[in-house]
Amino acid sequence: RKEVEQDPGPFNVPEGATVAFNCTYSNSASQSFFWYRQDCRKEPKLLMSVYSSGNEDGRFTAQLNRASQYISLLIRDSKLSDSATYLCVVNPRTGGFKTIFGAGTRLFVKA
Amino acid sequence: EPEVTQTPSHQVTQMGQEVILRCVPISNHLYFYWYRQILGQKVEFLVSFYNNEISEKSEIFDDQFSVERPDGSNFTLKIRSTKLEDSAMYFCASSEEGELPQHFGDGTRLSIL
Repeated sequence: RKEVEQDPGPFNVPEGATVAFNCTYSNSASQSFFWYRQDCRKEPKLLMSVYSSGNEDGRFTAQLNRASQYISLLIRDSKLSDSATYLCVVNPRTGGFKTIFGAGTRLFVKA
Repeated sequence: EPEVTQTPSHQVTQMGQEVILRCVPISNHLYFYWYRQILGQKVEFLVSFYNNEISEKSEIFDDQFSVERPDGSNFTLKIRSTKLEDSAMYFCASSEEGELPQHFGDGTRLSIL
């Protein structure tokens, strides 16, 4: 099983749609989880941290399910500018701050 | 907003040569990281660095690679005797603490000829 696994997509959605991505992780001891977005040939940019209680930032909602070892990202009212690759990031708590990136899910939002 | 800066933005080097990639992390951050991303592939962890020593490294980070914090601001990645497969985008990142979100520089594109 891959350490962090994501559906590569692509997800093609119209503007205004709601879209959800899931990510699974293999190390049950993992403690820190994040969603980043990456535009083509650019650096990853932090979208949001993912907390046990779930968290929301405007149109974006992140959830963590420790029992099933997955995290999710929900985007409401999609904008054209949301088109990007969404990266699931996990710190597997190996003691040395190793960070594992998923391969990313591509989202295309169309007018 | 403070940011991580990387130089150069693009480095072209002959195979077998040594390269040094430079990074200036955010000033109050204590944890530093290097990643690479081969074109079309995922971001791969190379190494984390804290308190002037490597805290963890991946299988990719072999004897060909080294990191250094030569002064209070710079954080460097050295690749000795570069190979064609070292061609990639290299990202530096920093964080205030080890489990807090990391902030990335805009990368150095390394092309090995």
